[in-house]
Amino acid sequence: AQSVTQPDIHITVSEGASLELRCNYSYGATPYLFWYVQSPGQGLQLLLKYFSGDTLVQGIKGFEAEFKRSQSSFNLRKPSVHWSDAAEYFCAVGPFGNEKLTFGTGTRLTIIP
Amino acid sequence: EPEVTQTPSHQVTQMGQEVILRCVPISNHLYFYWYRQILGQKVEFLVSFYNNEISEKSEIFDDQFSVERPDGSNFTLKIRSTKLEDSAMYFCASTESLAGGVTDTQYFGPGTRLTVL
Repeated sequence: AQSVTQPDIHITVSEGASLELRCNYSYGATPYLFWYVQSPGQGLQLLLKYFSGDTLVQGIKGFEAEFKRSQSSFNLRKPSVHWSDAAEYFCAVGPFGNEKLTFGTGTRLTIIP
Repeated sequence: EPEVTQTPSHQVTQMGQEVILRCVPISNHLYFYWYRQILGQKVEFLVSFYNNEISEKSEIFDDQFSVERPDGSNFTLKIRSTKLEDSAMYFCASTESLAGGVTDTQYFGPGTRLTVL
């Protein structure tokens, strides 16, 4: 069965600092991996996704993520965070065709001035 | 930019009552989903729907739940007799295709918060 672990429930980062959110997955075949962001009162917005090819994927809002098969990880990074990045971030895994996404528990990001 | 919409944004109901949560997927999308998120827990898959039938459902999606696409634009989730534990945020999502690639990203709506008293 597929599963996703986000080990950090809450992270606090200073504005302008770099960010890395961790995601580990368990999936039998080649996974489809996603990062979604949820701002308060909003739906889940796709930041980026990995299907195949280059293991470093670029997303919206300056985010990137790197797929590391050997570590079963898909960590999200941003070189310099902005106050507007404060939100909940969800990593998700799905099979080919994107049916039935399995989500992690999320990481809440707080930005301090 | 096209988006998935959901109504209502918040629904309060008494235990045992029926509720219908409504979603309008993106217009050219063919695959539809419901997920839920109990407060403080992870987002969980409930059901996927394609070509007017359920293609997959989770063990959460028991006989109390049903889905329907009553017309060309709406996609609904019905809970026949709500329980306290049905209190959650319910998200609708849709995707254009399942070909594998750019077009099969799931786009999510803002959610309906269901509170069962």
